[in-house]
Amino acid sequence: KAGVTQTPRYLIKTRGQQVTLSCSPISGHRSVSWYQQTPGQGLQFLFEYFSETQRNKGNFPGRFSGRQFSNSRSEMNVSTLELGDSALYLCASSPYGQGGYEQYFGPGTRLTVT
Amino acid sequence: KQEVTQIPAALSVPEGENLVLNCSFTDSAIYNLQWFRQDPGKGLTSLLLIQSSQREQTSGRLNASLDKSSGRSTLYIAASQPGDSATYLCAVRPGSASKIIFGSGTRLSIRP
Repeated sequence: KAGVTQTPRYLIKTRGQQVTLSCSPISGHRSVSWYQQTPGQGLQFLFEYFSETQRNKGNFPGRFSGRQFSNSRSEMNVSTLELGDSALYLCASSPYGQGGYEQYFGPGTRLTVT
Repeated sequence: KQEVTQIPAALSVPEGENLVLNCSFTDSAIYNLQWFRQDPGKGLTSLLLIQSSQREQTSGRLNASLDKSSGRSTLYIAASQPGDSATYLCAVRPGSASKIIFGSGTRLSIRP
């Protein structure tokens, strides 16, 4: 079974621009979560989607948004990029209701804002 | 509010040693606890998942234990190898529909 895939793997953007990151979960997984990882703040939870509905949300400004499609693929969008948004963005999928909700992570998207 | 702590932040040991990584959490009411490893610049790899009703899980040279009453989990690594060098993170899910809370990790270095 293919793992969690994230595209693109690397991205360089300029302050003020917006960016969209994509995550394809493991086949059959209906829950997708997003995390931001920085050296200073560690892993911070952004949001979780299940069956196209946002189930949980972290403490991030409204510039960060996401959505999930009917095939469970998810996207997250960051508008009006700031230098502090430079980070590794990780996506994880989970077989909600099965397997104890174990999370499986993708390789991440490295976003650099200049 | 659930908080997850991992001490020490970094650990260096010679190859071949058995070692224990610690994870503590403030609220004993958890749904499950998961251990991950992360190599530099990479995503997280799931190592072990312990359900609330379980006391331990084993996979190869790894053994994770859970003591909810004391708010602690340990990851035991037997016969450590240089390839075990990575950052190890524990994560607690308070409820089945709750967001996961991560510890800050322990950066492990195994010296050849």
